[in-house]
Amino acid sequence: GQQVMQIPQYQHVQEGEDFTTYCNSSTTLSNIQWYKQRPGGHPVFLIQLVKSGEVKKQKRLTFQFGEAKKNSSLHITATQTTDVGTYFCAGRDGGATNKLIFGTGTLLAVQP
Amino acid sequence: KAGVTQTPRYLIKTRGQQVTLSCSPISGHRSVSWYQQTPGQGLQFLFEYFSETQRNKGNFPGRFSGRQFSNSRSEMNVSTLELGDSALYLCASSQGDRTYEQYFGPGTRLTVT
Repeated sequence: GQQVMQIPQYQHVQEGEDFTTYCNSSTTLSNIQWYKQRPGGHPVFLIQLVKSGEVKKQKRLTFQFGEAKKNSSLHITATQTTDVGTYFCAGRDGGATNKLIFGTGTLLAVQP
Repeated sequence: KAGVTQTPRYLIKTRGQQVTLSCSPISGHRSVSWYQQTPGQGLQFLFEYFSETQRNKGNFPGRFSGRQFSNSRSEMNVSTLELGDSALYLCASSQGDRTYEQYFGPGTRLTVT
């Protein structure tokens, strides 16, 4: 079945450093979404990418969708303590099932 | 608009019992999905309902079932509880079209002893 893997599983950075998490799907995706879950909270939608090679920015966050629509990345510039949490990608395979499958997540810890 | 609500928020059950969890989506949202979240397995998809029909199902045993009512509220049921069913169960609603984002509820923390 469809699998969505994320690396790294965990990243510890000093405040002000950059951070990147990568998402890889075993199948081609119709779209990909990114969510953030703060400790003790629930996932909150950040953004959706649909087009091959698409790049979107939200302040210090940059999201990319690969040309083959099988991978994606989230890059945070100059991390802040408020960026702490687990970042999940979630992709739809666009096939018959069209399930939204969540990636394994990357836990970001930011040291002040 | 009010967000997604889930009841109860916390639940302790004994092995072998059954449990029913409830989810009320955002007003106007017709799609409800359920996920199981555990530290080791991450977010695992359980089911997706749209207009009272199960549109998708994850790889969980038949002990896990769900339904959606005409007002879009949804319930999931787990019968014959096992210790491994201890998890955070999250419900998410969306407008229905699969291009839309999902809005998650706070979850129900189920502990099976």
